[in-house]
Amino acid sequence: GESVGLHLPTLSVQEGDNSIINCAYSNSASDYFIWYKQESGKGPQFIIDIRSNMDKRQGQRVTVLLNKTVKHLSLQIAATQPGDSAVYFCALIGYSGAGSYQLTFGKGTKLSVIP
Amino acid sequence: ETGVTQSPTHLIKTRGQQVTLRCSSQSGHNTVSWYQQALGQGPQFIFQYYREEENGRGNFPPRFSGLQFPNYSSELNVNALELDDSALYLCASSQDGTGRLDTQYFGPGTRLTVL
Repeated sequence: GESVGLHLPTLSVQEGDNSIINCAYSNSASDYFIWYKQESGKGPQFIIDIRSNMDKRQGQRVTVLLNKTVKHLSLQIAATQPGDSAVYFCALIGYSGAGSYQLTFGKGTKLSVIP
Repeated sequence: ETGVTQSPTHLIKTRGQQVTLRCSSQSGHNTVSWYQQALGQGPQFIFQYYREEENGRGNFPPRFSGLQFPNYSSELNVNALELDDSALYLCASSQDGTGRLDTQYFGPGTRLTVL
């Protein structure tokens, strides 16, 4: 089955610097990966996704990189702001049987932005 | 905001009791997935409902059950509550649960405390 892990549980970044959050996944047939942001007391918020036929995708201030060879996913946040402080989860889609697909989440990385 | 709502926000129960949590999906979405998030962990998939039928289940015992209604809202029921059931319960709605590239959007969650 799939498992998702993160290289660092916490990350502190100076305001204005770029942030990089990493995620490793085990052998899987998953072809869809998502990054979620979760602020304290709230549900996970969709940030950006990437399909396995891509190795890079950009959004507003965020970039996701996918390296299928080493099964590694990263989220880059440009010009990090205090509002970016949150826990970031990578998740992948896996087949859960009966024709349905479930999200498998990593443990999360807590990003703290230093003003 | 995602348009996914959950009630109640917080709930305190005692061991052995039963609880019902509710979720209204985003407009246009016919699939609801439920997740349990323990403190400091990523969400864990409980089950998914698609067009009023259970459509995939994670590693949770039968005392976790659910329903989906014709308007696609959903309930999560937990019987014989245990202390370890204390967690944030999240629901996520999506357009089509049979699609492996189907993005899930989360509600704010219900914080359940079992004493």
